[in-house]
Amino acid sequence: GAGVSQSPSNKVTEKGKDVELRCDPISGHTALYWYRQSLGQGLEFLIYFQGNSAPDKSGLPSDRFSAERTGGSVSTLTIQRTQQEDSAVYLCASSLAARTNTGELFFGEGSRLTVL
Amino acid sequence: AQKITQTQPGMFVQEKEAVTLDCTYDTSDPSYGLFWYKQPSSGEMIFLIYQGSYDQQNATEGRYSLNFQKARKSANLVISASQLGDSAMYFCAMREVERAGKSTFGDGTTLTVKP
Repeated sequence: GAGVSQSPSNKVTEKGKDVELRCDPISGHTALYWYRQSLGQGLEFLIYFQGNSAPDKSGLPSDRFSAERTGGSVSTLTIQRTQQEDSAVYLCASSLAARTNTGELFFGEGSRLTVL
Repeated sequence: AQKITQTQPGMFVQEKEAVTLDCTYDTSDPSYGLFWYKQPSSGEMIFLIYQGSYDQQNATEGRYSLNFQKARKSANLVISASQLGDSAMYFCAMREVERAGKSTFGDGTTLTVKP
């Protein structure tokens, strides 16, 4: 498809396990974001990749969270030793333009994580 | 200080009436963009409208318009002739050139359209 693709769409895991969430942005989009959204709440910024620049990791809640973006395309968000408070929908978004004030974000459908 | 402020956690509007969703922002960057997104209960985020900081006229997209008051740093979304399908969460966002184009979101406003 032409949109932002996220997998898995749903993930149920046990407390203490590691999980990996994948995001495949729209081809050619240089900017990629990860957000976390708890039920009925706003978007919590996690990390921002922009081209070849060092990522903005200022939103990662703890050192259990990490993300990488390989080849300027696919990104993986890893949560180690998951906790129940990590349960949320993890949204990935990408945009065409980088250092600019224009260009809307295109969102994936999200990965719903449930930690038992 | 929060960069995007949406002061209305929830709003109600009667079908076919107009509604204004408030958004104020804070930035020292002279070049920025303001966006509104809609998130229905199904969860997908839908881009609605964009306003650039240098745009002289308010943006409009069908039933959506953006009331941009630069001096007051406000970018309110106006939805005319509300429809039941407009019931959703609405997010205001800002993108700043000085922050390498990073987008910042408000906490959102939940709009409920009553029949």
